[in-house]
Amino acid sequence: AQSVTQPDIHITVSEGASLELRCNYSYGATPYLFWYVQSPGQGLQLLLKYFSGDTLVQGIKGFEAEFKRSQSSFNLRKPSVHWSDAAEYFCAVGAQGGGNKLTFGTGTQLKVEL
Amino acid sequence: GAVVSQHPSWVICKSGTSVKIECRSLDFQATTMFWYRQFPKQSLMLMATSNEGSKATYEQGVEKDKFLINHASLTLSTLTVTSAHPEDSSFYICSAPQREGKDTQYFGPGTRLTVL
Repeated sequence: AQSVTQPDIHITVSEGASLELRCNYSYGATPYLFWYVQSPGQGLQLLLKYFSGDTLVQGIKGFEAEFKRSQSSFNLRKPSVHWSDAAEYFCAVGAQGGGNKLTFGTGTQLKVEL
Repeated sequence: GAVVSQHPSWVICKSGTSVKIECRSLDFQATTMFWYRQFPKQSLMLMATSNEGSKATYEQGVEKDKFLINHASLTLSTLTVTSAHPEDSSFYICSAPQREGKDTQYFGPGTRLTVL
């Protein structure tokens, strides 16, 4: 069975600083990988996804993520954080042939200091 | 992108009553929908897979008699929390893929259930 680890429960960055949120997965084959963002009391919005091909994936709101098979990682990055980026970020993995079922990490709460 | 709605967005009920939550795919058909539960400041836990025209598939540890799922049409799935108790209070979120297989899940905005 697949699993996802997000080592950082909370991260605080200053507005304008760069950001990297870590995600490690466990899966026997090439996984489908996703990053979602959740604002308080809201559902999840897809930031980006990786299925195959180019390992550097561009998403919405200036986010990108890089799939590194050797490290079983799919870290999310943004070069310059905006105050509106403060939210909860979830990494998720889906199994090929798994019928779209997703396994989520525990999430990273991002706080942005002005 | 595809849109998934949920109704109601929040509900408060008395212990022992049943509550129905609707999940609709607004601009696409979904033969499969998923129901998640999220406790405060925690991750989403998959509860069950809702299958149009057949029985739902429940994850281990989820009581199927407690959480009744009906996938009435290609655009509607309902989750009924039966005989709700305070420990059922949670944030319930549904999702649906626009296509089967390799595809993105689109999530509803969630339903906050509070059982008094």
